[in-house]
Amino acid sequence: NAGVMQNPRHLVRRRGQEARLRCSPMKGHSHVYWYRQLPEEGLKFMVYLQKENIIDESGMPKERFSAEFPKEGPSILRIQQVVRGDSAAYFCASSPPGLAGYEQYFGPGTRLTVT
Amino acid sequence: SQQGEEDPQALSIQEGENATMNCSYKTSINNLQWYRQNSGRGLVHLILIRSNEREKHSGRLRVTLDTSKKSSSLLITASRAADTASYFCATDNRDDKIIFGKGTRLHILP
Repeated sequence: NAGVMQNPRHLVRRRGQEARLRCSPMKGHSHVYWYRQLPEEGLKFMVYLQKENIIDESGMPKERFSAEFPKEGPSILRIQQVVRGDSAAYFCASSPPGLAGYEQYFGPGTRLTVT
Repeated sequence: SQQGEEDPQALSIQEGENATMNCSYKTSINNLQWYRQNSGRGLVHLILIRSNEREKHSGRLRVTLDTSKKSSSLLITASRAADTASYFCATDNRDDKIIFGKGTRLHILP
């Protein structure tokens, strides 16, 4: 059973471009969480999704950021018109149905650099 | 396998008592972090301790780090019902990965 996969692992964007980060949860997992980590800081929760539903987006910036987890395919974290402050590592985690809240399996992260 | 291993897996204490959770890890780290997770919610970052630090405080939280034993402890003093949650340690390793343990489920009894 492959673990949580994220791609790309590294992404470079110029200011004003769009960044799309993908997360494929573990097989059978229906919950996805996205986190952002700035250098030398802990992970900060952004959004929690189940298939086709956003459950909790209290950590998402109000503008330029959006997330989806469609019925088919990976979860996507989308950042429009990126700015230098968006440079960070973005991690997603997944958990199986029924165990949301106790076990999260993390992907390797996508490191976004905005130039 | 997960690097961080929390101990105990589950802990029930009376409100007002202190709760201590431990975490062990295997490889060298840049820092170690503790997180809390309420059921059905995302992780909330509690405290980060760097590899050259031995102890850190934040409110009712006290974290220690012993790099010679590759272990850390999280102490919550004067526990409250709202502290009921799962607590995870995570290590930020020198190869730039973050690895989480499976967590300790803490239950505060009224």
